[in-house]
Amino acid sequence: RKEVEQDPGPFNVPEGATVAFNCTYSNSASQSFFWYRQDCRKEPKLLMSVYSSGNEDGRFTAQLNRASQYISLLIRDSKLSDSATYLCVVNSRAGNMLTFGGGTRLMVKP
Amino acid sequence: SQTIHQWPATLVQPVGSPLSLECTVEGTSNPNLYWYRQAAGRGLQLLFYSVGIGQISSEVPQNLSASRPQDRQFILSSKKLLLSDSGFYLCAWGLAGVSEQFFGPGTRLTVL
Repeated sequence: RKEVEQDPGPFNVPEGATVAFNCTYSNSASQSFFWYRQDCRKEPKLLMSVYSSGNEDGRFTAQLNRASQYISLLIRDSKLSDSATYLCVVNSRAGNMLTFGGGTRLMVKP
Repeated sequence: SQTIHQWPATLVQPVGSPLSLECTVEGTSNPNLYWYRQAAGRGLQLLFYSVGIGQISSEVPQNLSASRPQDRQFILSSKKLLLSDSGFYLCAWGLAGVSEQFFGPGTRLTVL
């Protein structure tokens, strides 16, 4: 079993739609959780951290369910510019090591 | 503010040739530094990390090596490239005790 698993997609949605991605992680001792965004042929960029209480940043909402060991990202009112691959990232090791999921590809269509 | 640089941006090398990729960070002191590789259509694989000058930890045994000759400089090397070394090489930095990592623009390596 992979440490961090994501549905690779692609998720094809129209502009204005709401889309949600889930991610599961295997290490129950994981402490920190993040979503990164990666555009085609570019470096990953930190989108948001995921807190136990859930957190929101504009159109983006992240949730953490420790009991079920999954993380979610909700994007409301999708824009064409949201088209990218979204990486679920977990700090599940001692120190500052991050484990990356394989990514979920989102394509927002006009 | 902190910035991270990588060069070259793209590289095409023949099998068996040497490799040297450089990463430098500005605007911070004593960062943790990381080298990742992302093969086509795949996830990020951690190759090396460093918590200080001369301190290198290897995650995956292979024909690559890393060095940290200065606090904000991280170098990835190989004596002889293999076809399987092709990929997108990303350098990242983070602060001790903080989990977030920030990536450089990457080097796209093609080994022919």
